[in-house]
Amino acid sequence: AQSVAQPEDQVNVAEGNPLTVKCTYSVSGNPYLFWYVQYPNRGLQFLLKYITGDNLVKGSYGFEAEFNKSQTSFHLKKPSALVSDSALYFCAVTSGAGSYQLTFGKGTKLSVIP
Amino acid sequence: DTAVSQTPKYLVTQMGNDKSIKCEQNLGHDTMYWYKQDSKKFLKIMFSYNNKELIINETVPNRFSPKSPDKAHLNLHINSLELGDSAVYFCASSQTTGGSQPQHFGDGTRLSIL
Repeated sequence: AQSVAQPEDQVNVAEGNPLTVKCTYSVSGNPYLFWYVQYPNRGLQFLLKYITGDNLVKGSYGFEAEFNKSQTSFHLKKPSALVSDSALYFCAVTSGAGSYQLTFGKGTKLSVIP
Repeated sequence: DTAVSQTPKYLVTQMGNDKSIKCEQNLGHDTMYWYKQDSKKFLKIMFSYNNKELIINETVPNRFSPKSPDKAHLNLHINSLELGDSAVYFCASSQTTGGSQPQHFGDGTRLSIL
């Protein structure tokens, strides 16, 4: 069975500071990893994904994530946080080609303080 | 143009009633999904259809019945509504069933059972 852990329910960061939202995963086979963001009263929006290749992937709104196979992690990062980045962030995993069931983490609420 | 649209946005009804939620996507995607997000924001897959065929059917009470009249539409009918059905229901779509494709979400239907 595949699973995702987001160890922090909430992350607080000052505007302009770098931010990290943590994610670890468990899956048999090669993982396909995703980050989504959810703003209040909205659906999830795709930010970025790792399928294969370069361990550092870049996505929307200046976000990036680093895939670390040995630590089974896929942490989301941004060099300089904006107040508008405040939202709920979800990490998700599926077990690769041929699998279509995405498993989500429980979400991490990011608050960027002005 | 809204890519994945759900109606209604809000649904307030009494226990025991039957209700339907409609979903349409204009992205030309082959695969559509229904998710349930509970009050703690936990997101769980319910169903998935690929080209009108059911491919994921998670452990969901059989009071929930999805219907896909064509690949652009996936509706959810719920019989005999219970208090525990109160949640936000999200429709999503992806280009194919392949795990590498990101999913596009609607803005949700907020179901409240009185």
